[in-house]
Amino acid sequence: GAVVSQHPSRVICKSGTSVKIECRSLDFQATTMFWYRQFPKQSLMLMATSNEGSKATYEQGVEKDKFLINHASLTLSTLTVTSAHPEDSSFYICSAIPGQGGNYGYTFGSGTRLTVV
Amino acid sequence: SQKIEQNSEALNIQEGKTATLTCNYTNYSPAYLQWYRQDPGRGPVFLLLIRENEKEKRKERLKVTFDTTLKQSLFHITASQPADSATYLCALAGSGYSTLTFGKGTMLLVSP
Repeated sequence: GAVVSQHPSRVICKSGTSVKIECRSLDFQATTMFWYRQFPKQSLMLMATSNEGSKATYEQGVEKDKFLINHASLTLSTLTVTSAHPEDSSFYICSAIPGQGGNYGYTFGSGTRLTVV
Repeated sequence: SQKIEQNSEALNIQEGKTATLTCNYTNYSPAYLQWYRQDPGRGPVFLLLIRENEKEKRKERLKVTFDTTLKQSLFHITASQPADSATYLCALAGSGYSTLTFGKGTMLLVSP
């Protein structure tokens, strides 16, 4: 089945530094990928929609200069958390749809646990 | 604003019984409703998708119903097993297969 690989699974960084998270579709092409953030016992909140070859679409309240998204190929999207602060500590998850026309669910990566100290 | 409600309390059942989870929504007319399973520290895994013009969908031990009048979906796991213990998320999408909106999920605990 369709697989989305996300890396790293865990990262600890110091305040003020930047962290890059990679999301790859392994056996399908994804013109669109989605980035979510999940706080403990909360629902997944969509941060942005990543579009191959064009700018990402950010949800209201998400700072595009802080959460940089690059979707340079049909199989890779990256999320860079710039100048990270402790409040950015969260579980970040990417996803993609391995098909067309609403017949498929989303395939999610395994998530990245970011801890900013 | 759009709201998706899932029971926040964990559902505890005994192995072999049928688990039934509820998803209610307001201020939304979804074209698709999906159910996912999420284990601790992992990304969600897609289980079932049901369209607005479908009443029921089945897949092995799983069954989903969708009542657009009641604005409710029920998710059933028959002959539940301890391995079914996880958090189950309900998610809605509009027409054109737009982005998903998730509920907070309900934790299911199946005891031997």
